[in-house]
Amino acid sequence: DAKTTQPPSMDCAEGRAANLPCNHSTISGNEYVYWYRQIHSQGPQYIIHGLKNNETNEMASLIITEDRKSSTLILPHATLRDTAVYYCIVRVVGSSNTGKLIFGQGTTLQVKP
Amino acid sequence: EAGVTQSPTHLIKTRGQQATLRCSPISGHTSVYWYQQALGLGLQFLLWYDEGEERNRGNFPPRFSGRQFPNYSSELNVNALELEDSALYLCASSVRGATTDTQYFGPGTRLTVL
Repeated sequence: DAKTTQPPSMDCAEGRAANLPCNHSTISGNEYVYWYRQIHSQGPQYIIHGLKNNETNEMASLIITEDRKSSTLILPHATLRDTAVYYCIVRVVGSSNTGKLIFGQGTTLQVKP
Repeated sequence: EAGVTQSPTHLIKTRGQQATLRCSPISGHTSVYWYQQALGLGLQFLLWYDEGEERNRGNFPPRFSGRQFPNYSSELNVNALELEDSALYLCASSVRGATTDTQYFGPGTRLTVL
């Protein structure tokens, strides 16, 4: 599975959009980009994933660059409850996958009033 | 739809004892994964079970073991507990599909070894 690079921390004002970047320059063609978040001492929460097209769900949007070497998770209207560690993970899906998610250090997002 | 459940929430053991942690997957999910998150460290993959069989194992000693039952629930057993086994143990479940096998996590079991 490809390695990812994320900034260690970011701040965002409440009500504003939070844009969390992730670099995955060694991503392979069959690897998906996944985003999870972990609020202190809780289990990680799945947010969104994508292969090459931009994706949107009720929680967030995922923008993947055309060369797939980087992506951005967008929380459109951040609230205090979005304060968490956000993990960007790249992995193979399907019969070739190893089952394991490789969590890096993630980005600690602090949403401020 | 009920999420992944884990029990107990907290577990306190002494060094040398055995700990058993339990996980119930989301209904319809056949795969169960175990992760360890020690204080100050990231989440480390422990084990993956699917259809009752161990499919992959992380870099942990053999005293970490588990099993998956016919109803797809799972147990993680940690023998000969050591102080450094103190951690949050997380279970996740997924379907096993060709294009989607998103892992959904439970709330975890906090194991403290004294």
